[in-house]
Amino acid sequence: QKEVEQDPGPLSVPEGAIVSLNCTYSNSAFQYFMWYRQYSRKGPELLMYTYSSGNKEDGRFTAQVDKSSKYISLFIRDSQPSDSATYLCAMSRLSGGSYIPTFGRGTSLIVHP
Amino acid sequence: DTEVTQTPKHLVMGMTNKKSLKCEQHMGHRAMYWYKQKAKKPPELMFVYSYEKLSINESVPSRFSPECPNSSLLNLHLHALQPEDSALYLCASSQGPSANTEAFFGQGTRLTVV
Repeated sequence: QKEVEQDPGPLSVPEGAIVSLNCTYSNSAFQYFMWYRQYSRKGPELLMYTYSSGNKEDGRFTAQVDKSSKYISLFIRDSQPSDSATYLCAMSRLSGGSYIPTFGRGTSLIVHP
Repeated sequence: DTEVTQTPKHLVMGMTNKKSLKCEQHMGHRAMYWYKQKAKKPPELMFVYSYEKLSINESVPSRFSPECPNSSLLNLHLHALQPEDSALYLCASSQGPSANTEAFFGQGTRLTVV
């Protein structure tokens, strides 16, 4: 079992839809949770960062963490074609004196006009 | 400013060449990372520097040699690479173990070994 599980998709939705992206994890040592957006052949761009269970909202994006279920989600409201990208969840635990992000395999999102 | 700058953006090298990838950040971050990413795969950790000292080496072959000359710079020296080493090499930084830990990534160096 991988430490971080994420459905690779692709997930195809119409413009304006609410998108739900999810990851599960198995290691209770993960303390910090991040969502990245990666366009083709570019570096990952940090979208959301949280460290506690509950919801965190930033514009059209809402990150949700449920530590008891080891489950995190990213919701995108009013999705746009420009949101089409790969969304990577990442979570960090302390190792060797540093917090190390471990990534899910990414979900490919396609928002069609 | 949350920028991590990587140079060059693209690199083509032969198997007998020696080249270096460079990464720079001016956010005062004390942890810096090298990741390798193959197409349609997540980034895989290679090295971590914490306070300019190598803290993690994920069993990376010796043909990859990291260096951290100061707190703002991170290099990856390449020698005698194989075609299967072709990938996107990503540098990242974060504040460090005692503070906020979100990691910021550069745009990567797309490496092709011929």
